[in-house]
Amino acid sequence: AQKITQTQPGMFVQEKEAVTLDCTYDTSDPSYGLFWYKQPSSGEMIFLIYQGSYDQQNATEGRYSLNFQKARKSANLVISASQLGDSAMYFCAMRRFQGAQKLVFGQGTRLTINP
Amino acid sequence: DAGVIQSPRHEVTEMGQEVTLRCKPISGHDYLFWYRQTMMRGLELLIYFNNNVPIDDSGMPEDRFSAKMPNASFSTLKIQPSEPRDSAVYFCASRSLIGTGYGYTFGSGTRLTVV
Repeated sequence: AQKITQTQPGMFVQEKEAVTLDCTYDTSDPSYGLFWYKQPSSGEMIFLIYQGSYDQQNATEGRYSLNFQKARKSANLVISASQLGDSAMYFCAMRRFQGAQKLVFGQGTRLTINP
Repeated sequence: DAGVIQSPRHEVTEMGQEVTLRCKPISGHDYLFWYRQTMMRGLELLIYFNNNVPIDDSGMPEDRFSAKMPNASFSTLKIQPSEPRDSAVYFCASRSLIGTGYGYTFGSGTRLTVV
């Protein structure tokens, strides 16, 4: 069975600082995908970044990067130069490549950026 | 592309009433997912469809919940009779196997309150 663990229920960061949101996962599948989503106070789920288990390089999307350590089964999200608009809930999720197509989510981390 | 469209955005109903949530996936997407989000349980998958066929309904809480996908452009999630513990945000998402590993698109959600 798949399991995603986000151990930081809340984080407070000063504006313009970098922030790392932790995510560890557990799966016996050899192939899988890892996702990060942002959920602002308005409630929608916004896709941020994706990493495939066989990707050689860490994924990057603008100010977002994914620190993927396969041996440790971690997929931390790094946000560089944080902005006030980054304040939101952040969810890590995983999908198997074989069989079920569902996304399994972690409990989320609430990030607050202070001015 | 209008994205995944859910209706209504907000629903307030009395305990015992029937509630129907609606979802229009992105045209051409093969998979449709229904998720429920609560503070206590986070984001949990209720059911998902592939080409209009239910594949995994193991997350449906009980017989009061039912979901249908009569065609590729429409799905419903029905709760009958509703109970206060059903209060949550219900998300619909769709994705296509064609393309890269990401591609899960979420609707804006339906916030259900059962009083």
